[in-house]
Amino acid sequence: KQEVTQIPAALSVPEGENLVLNCSFTDSAIYNLQWFRQDPGKGLTSLLLIQSSQREQTSGRLNASLDKSSGRSTLYIAASQPGDSATYLCAVINNAGNMLTFGGGTRLMVKP
Amino acid sequence: DTGVSQDPRHKITKRGQNVTFRCDPISEHNRLYWYRQTLGQGPEFLTYFQNEAQLEKSRLLSDRFSAERPKGSFSTLEIQRTEQGDSAMYLCASSLLAGGYEQFFGPGTRLTVL
Repeated sequence: KQEVTQIPAALSVPEGENLVLNCSFTDSAIYNLQWFRQDPGKGLTSLLLIQSSQREQTSGRLNASLDKSSGRSTLYIAASQPGDSATYLCAVINNAGNMLTFGGGTRLMVKP
Repeated sequence: DTGVSQDPRHKITKRGQNVTFRCDPISEHNRLYWYRQTLGQGPEFLTYFQNEAQLEKSRLLSDRFSAERPKGSFSTLEIQRTEQGDSAMYLCASSLLAGGYEQFFGPGTRLTVL
């Protein structure tokens, strides 16, 4: 059974810092990996999707990497802003493409 | 707005009542998924449809839960005889069959069972 773990569970940083969120998964037979953002009481917003054959994806200040063989992904946020405060969720898609398995999330607070 | 929509956004009910939620996916998406999220946790998969066919159900989906997608467009999730443990956010997502299976989520329905 696939298990996804995110570390740290919570993170508080001053504005302007670069930061790294970590995600690990137990079964490397994945089709791809998605990073999401979730604001309190809201749905999920897709940030980045990395295909299993890719090693990284970039969107603006966000960069996500994937090391499938070691079961790890990182989300790098450059020059953090208070508006980045949210919960960040990592999820892997199985090879059948029929379900996402999520980690527990990292709750990020960026202080002005 | 061409994103995934869900209705209602909030539902408060008494234990033992039946509730039904609706999800409208992105129009050209043929896959539709339901997830449940409790406070402080990541979402957990419940079930998914490809067009009108329900192809997989999690063991989290007890016999009090039923989902339909009658014409391969919108979907409904019904919970019968609700229990306090059913209180959660119910999230719907949709994707194309191809294109990396990227899933797009709706705003969710927050269920509170008193």
